[in-house]
Amino acid sequence: SQQGEEDPQALSIQEGENATMNCSYKTSINNLQWYRQNSGRGLVHLILIRSNEREKHSGRLRVTLDTSKKSSSLLITASRAADTASYFCATGRWGAQKLVFGQGTRLTINP
Amino acid sequence: DTAVSQTPKYLVTQMGNDKSIKCEQNLGHDTMYWYKQDSKKFLKIMFSYNNKELIINETVPNRFSPKSPDKAHLNLHINSLELGDSAVYFCASSLEGKGTEAFFGQGTRLTVV
Repeated sequence: SQQGEEDPQALSIQEGENATMNCSYKTSINNLQWYRQNSGRGLVHLILIRSNEREKHSGRLRVTLDTSKKSSSLLITASRAADTASYFCATGRWGAQKLVFGQGTRLTINP
Repeated sequence: DTAVSQTPKYLVTQMGNDKSIKCEQNLGHDTMYWYKQDSKKFLKIMFSYNNKELIINETVPNRFSPKSPDKAHLNLHINSLELGDSAVYFCASSLEGKGTEAFFGQGTRLTVV
C-alpha cells in the first residue's frame, strides 16, 4: 500500500504552543504536501516541499522532509484556536496522476 | 468565485437508487479527480481525468461512472447505491496531473439508507 501514516492521530494543545505532526510514506516521491481540513469542509493546500528540499517555511508553518527516512513533519508555531482542524500529508509522484494521502492528524487548540 | 464547486453538498437516498454529483472548476486546470473520504477520514483516489480523458480508475466498482463533458467538469454517477457507498466525495483539480497542488471542492456527504 502506498498509504502514508501520520502521527499522532490526535493532538490537543494550548493556544500559543507549537504543534508538530509527523508523516511517513512508503514509496519514492516527487513532492510532499500538507493540507488542512476544517470540520465539514474541503481540503485546503498549505505547503508543498519537493523531494530535493529539506525544509520549507510559510508563515507560521515549517515543513521538513527526510527522503532517506521517508518522513516529513509539519510544525505550526504559536498555535491559534483557528488552527483547530485535521491535517493531512499527501505525496505526489511524477506520472502518478494522483495524490496519496495519509490518515490525518486531528489537531485541537484549546483557548 | 468558488474555484471548485460541487453539488449537492448533502445527499440522502435509499439503497438501490441512482444518483449524480456534479463538479465544476473555473481554474483552467487540465486534471480533475474524485476522492472518497470514509468515516475514518481516510481519503482515497477514485478517478483521475486529464483533458476529459480517464487516466486513473482505482478499482472502483462499475456502479460508479464518471463523465467529463469538458475539462472544466467532472460528474460522478452512481448506480444501485449500497449502504457502503455512504461517505464524503470530494472533487478536486490540479494544473497538471503530476502530483501537483490540488484544489478541492467542499465535498458531498452521501448517506445511503
